[in-house]
Amino acid sequence: GAVVSQHPSRVICKSGTSVKIECRSLDFQATTMFWYRQFPKKSLMLMATSNEGSKATYEQGVEKDKFLINHASLTLSTLTVTSAHPEDSSFYICSARAGEWGNEQFFGPGTRLTVL
Amino acid sequence: GDSVTQMEGPVTLSEEAFLTINCTYTATGYPSLFWYVQYPGEGLQLLLKATKADDKGSNKGFEATYRKETTSFHLEKGSVQVSDSAVYFCALSPSNTGKLIFGQGTTLQVKP
Repeated sequence: GAVVSQHPSRVICKSGTSVKIECRSLDFQATTMFWYRQFPKKSLMLMATSNEGSKATYEQGVEKDKFLINHASLTLSTLTVTSAHPEDSSFYICSARAGEWGNEQFFGPGTRLTVL
Repeated sequence: GDSVTQMEGPVTLSEEAFLTINCTYTATGYPSLFWYVQYPGEGLQLLLKATKADDKGSNKGFEATYRKETTSFHLEKGSVQVSDSAVYFCALSPSNTGKLIFGQGTTLQVKP
């Protein structure tokens, strides 16, 4: 199957700083990328959907000014957690899809963010 | 809103045992249903899917049948192996959205 990578795999930062997480589709062009957040022993929660070249669509309750998403190319999307706080500590997972909505999503391995 | 409920884990089985992981859903319309598997240190992988009522998805010995009357999509395997140890997620995609809504995941541990 197609490969999606995330970088970094783990990051620790101080409260108040910003952190950028990258999601790359390595062997296909991803017209749509999704960002999820996973809490311990909880399901993945969709945060936002991004289409290449347009603004991301955020799910209800997700602060768009706090979680900045950029999908600048067909192989790269970034999630920036701005002014991070300890409650932002979580596991962030991206997925990427080529073409239409019925196509399979391919998932990255996730990024563990810890805010001190 | 749409939601997915999975049985609580962890599930611990001996090798060659029969596996069932229950999954029920709440949705309007006609969602597609999925099972994803996450092996340690790896991203989620699609295990199987079903797109309409009474469809059976199958892969690697795993099966699940889309039961609209009971709003269920239970995962089964006749004989598990140690290599099946992973976290299993049930998910649905509401009609024509492309989004995925996940259950909380069930950890399966298979002992030799």
